[in-house]
Amino acid sequence: EVQLVESGGGLVQPGGSLRLSCAASGFTFSSYAMSWVRQAPGKGLEWVSAISGSGGSTYYADSVKGRFTISRDNSKNTLYLQMNSLRAEDTAVYYCAKYSSGDYFEDWFDPWGQGTLVTVSS
Amino acid sequence: SYELTQPLSVSVALGQTARITCGGNNIGSKNVHWYQQKPGQAPVLVIYRDSNRPSGIPERFSGSNSGNTATLTISRAQAGDEADYYCQVWDSSTAVFGGGTKLTVL
Repeated sequence: EVQLVESGGGLVQPGGSLRLSCAASGFTFSSYAMSWVRQAPGKGLEWVSAISGSGGSTYYADSVKGRFTISRDNSKNTLYLQMNSLRAEDTAVYYCAKYSSGDYFEDWFDPWGQGTLVTVSS
Repeated sequence: SYELTQPLSVSVALGQTARITCGGNNIGSKNVHWYQQKPGQAPVLVIYRDSNRPSGIPERFSGSNSGNTATLTISRAQAGDEADYYCQVWDSSTAVFGGGTKLTVL
């Protein structure tokens, strides 16, 4: 069974940094692109970033470009999101999600983790 | 940047058919995926590549995509189908989600 478990969320001050992790199991991690999607309280889904299976290709939403960095450690089956210069508008539940097939980014997200809450506030 | 437009809410009587639309410029040329999200839960895939159902998703869920509109259709709506539904595409190296539609089953 595929499992994705996020961790690392919490309360951080504006301008601060946080690193999220997503531990994956139940599939050959290095063979699949992965993504982060967030959801602000009471709002819709917003795609944040994606990374290829090898880690060689990365993509970002304009809203986080230059502040967030996606990475992965295929030896540890773990996806990361390094978040710097955090703003109040970054407050959200952050989900990691597996792409359905390899590195084809036009494909769908399945499954999703349960999410980790990041709160940016002073 | 590419935009997807969904109605904020759709209501359907128990046992009737609900249709949730997702509008975008020439969306018919793209692969559209649909997710269901219930309160406090992570999203779940219900339709992929316009009209395909993952295993475990009831046949009552179907999808279509043509021109500037993709549609998620839920037949014989049940109380358990009440949820938020999101469409999603990939465009210009970014994933794009619609704003979401809250489905209410009356």
